[in-house]
Amino acid sequence: SYELTQPPSVSVSPGQTASIACSGDKLGNKFPSWYQQRAGQSPVLVIYQATKRPSGIPERFSASNSGNTATLTISGTQAMDEAEYYCQAWDGSAYVFGTGTKVTVL
Amino acid sequence: QVQLQESGPGLVKPSETLSLSCAVAGYSISSGYYWGWLRQPPGKGLEWIGSLYHTGITYYNPSLKSRVSTSVDTSKNHFSLRLTSVTAADTAVYYCARQRDVAGAGYFDYWGQGSLVTVSS
Repeated sequence: SYELTQPPSVSVSPGQTASIACSGDKLGNKFPSWYQQRAGQSPVLVIYQATKRPSGIPERFSASNSGNTATLTISGTQAMDEAEYYCQAWDGSAYVFGTGTKVTVL
Repeated sequence: QVQLQESGPGLVKPSETLSLSCAVAGYSISSGYYWGWLRQPPGKGLEWIGSLYHTGITYYNPSLKSRVSTSVDTSKNHFSLRLTSVTAADTAVYYCARQRDVAGAGYFDYWGQGSLVTVSS
């Protein structure tokens, strides 16, 4: 089955840039999405179709996708960005989620 | 604003059937889009269970396909999930969500608040 691998944790200082990688075979040929899940809350879509930002999502959230890796970037990270982040893609038979990355704003 | 709300028993016995319903407000299910079920075991990641369209088209995660069924009631604007022969491994927060299915680039843009289902005798 298809797997999407993310680092378990990323730490960032307020105002700095956080980058979260999502690795999967030929992921660059797919259209991953990214979700933010704050503690005790439901996931929120922050990126869809690899690089698009839904309305209402701050411009500091951006993404890229190439080769075997998709990357979510949070520029000028704020305390409110502290959360778990998941990538997601369609593997041809199922929607697959990444292992999740806990972003801590120190 | 689209809103989704899961409902159903919070406790199910092993080997029995888990049943959940998702009420949709702010959008008519029969107007289009797919509608999905997902789950998250305590302290773990997200898993897609399956999705359905208002016409009855369904597709499921191959890992759960033999135990999953879904249905839609457009008159009540809600859709439902049934998961049979549950075990402790099915203990999770179950979410319903609206799915934008775009030729392999599908994603979930609105989520319910989640419903914790515990499988225990």
